Amino acid sequence: SQKIEQNSEALNIQEGKTATLTCNYTNYSPAYLQWYRQDPGRGPVFLLLIRENEKEKRKERLKVTFDTTLKQSLFHITASQPADSATYLCALDPAGTASKLTFGTGTRLQVTL
Amino acid sequence: DVKVTQSSRYLVKRTGEKVFLECVQDMDHENMFWYRQDPGLGLRLIYFSYDVKMKEKGDIPEGYSVSREKKERFSLILESASTNQTSMYLCASISTAGWGYTFGSGTRLTVV
Repeated sequence: SQKIEQNSEALNIQEGKTATLTCNYTNYSPAYLQWYRQDPGRGPVFLLLIRENEKEKRKERLKVTFDTTLKQSLFHITASQPADSATYLCALDPAGTASKLTFGTGTRLQVTL
Repeated sequence: DVKVTQSSRYLVKRTGEKVFLECVQDMDHENMFWYRQDPGLGLRLIYFSYDVKMKEKGDIPEGYSVSREKKERFSLILESASTNQTSMYLCASISTAGWGYTFGSGTRLTVV
């Protein structure tokens, strides 16, 4: 069956370090992969989209990689700040038409001073 | 600023009640979605709509129905609320041009 895995354990890092979150998937061939940020009690907020033919995408302090051979995406936040503390969700779009997304359960990031 | 607005942040309903959750978007998006989010299970798709009066079942449609009479409004209906429908409900929209969902703030529904 199709499965998306994100590390359910919280990631704790020190301010200024690079945070790296992992999204693994099985039995999918996604055309697009997306990353969202979710704060407690709020809806997710779209951050980045990467296509299957792209290896890497950057936006300010954020970087996403997409390895369709390994079936894995890595999400990096450089120079982490306490304000980056949140849960980060990856989502797969098999059709590449911005239709139905399937979400991972998310990884909580805690950035401490 | 573009917006998806859900009518209630918190709701408490009794078992057996018919419950309406309303969602309005101001971005002229064609596609709208209802998800529920539960700890450890993530977001699960209940229903979605690609156009007015069109609807398709998601992964967990049982016990729910939807209505889309106008492009900007997508309603989720719990026909007879049950305690296992206690959850956070999230509405989202996206244009056919794509580029990421816009979510509402969510409705935390408690069925007692």
